[in-house]
Amino acid sequence: DTEVTQTPKHLVMGMTNKKSLKCEQHMGHRAMYWYKQKAKKPPELMFVYSYEKLSINESVPSRFSPECPNSSLLNLHLHALQPEDSALYLCASSRQDQETQYFGPGTRLLVL
Amino acid sequence: GESVGLHLPTLSVQEGDNSIINCAYSNSASDYFIWYKQESGKGPQFIIDIRSNMDKRQGQRVTVLLNKTVKHLSLQIAATQPGDSAVYFCAVPHEAGTALIFGKGTTLSVSS
Repeated sequence: DTEVTQTPKHLVMGMTNKKSLKCEQHMGHRAMYWYKQKAKKPPELMFVYSYEKLSINESVPSRFSPECPNSSLLNLHLHALQPEDSALYLCASSRQDQETQYFGPGTRLLVL
Repeated sequence: GESVGLHLPTLSVQEGDNSIINCAYSNSASDYFIWYKQESGKGPQFIIDIRSNMDKRQGQRVTVLLNKTVKHLSLQIAATQPGDSAVYFCAVPHEAGTALIFGKGTTLSVSS
């Protein structure tokens, strides 16, 4: 089973809203990732968690705040986003970091 | 800096043909290489990977070839079907090891 699940599937939010994206995997993977993907572009890495500790933050603005409550869950808290933050947000996981990553279906975010 | 490039942004084939998608990478120390398929509105789906100590790896209807001398990676799809229509990304680990660098993607269109 190589399933990564993400909720919600779609999200529309205003620039003053606070919302959270959720990601879950039950494969026993110890590395989890957030990516952002704009239309017709490849995914771009935002954050990496390895063994529930943040190991990489790719200079992402503080209006994006990741959280890893346990080894199966990864959240991305959103606050005061801008319209240009509208994108597909992808979660991925791998057995360890530096191994093949498996992606979830993504959350399509629209910021108005 | 590191880069991953694709030779063709689009590829159109007839159903039943074999398809070849190519990718070039710059980091000669890359330890593994991955191909993903992304259908419209979905997350990237793992197709096949290959480690740097191999030249060829086969899956179901897919073959990945790795030429480390010229830093070239290809994905071959046999007997291409309409369901193969998607964007295909190659991905290579960043020099630091954890992040993936994605190529720009090749859009494969299969006509029946």
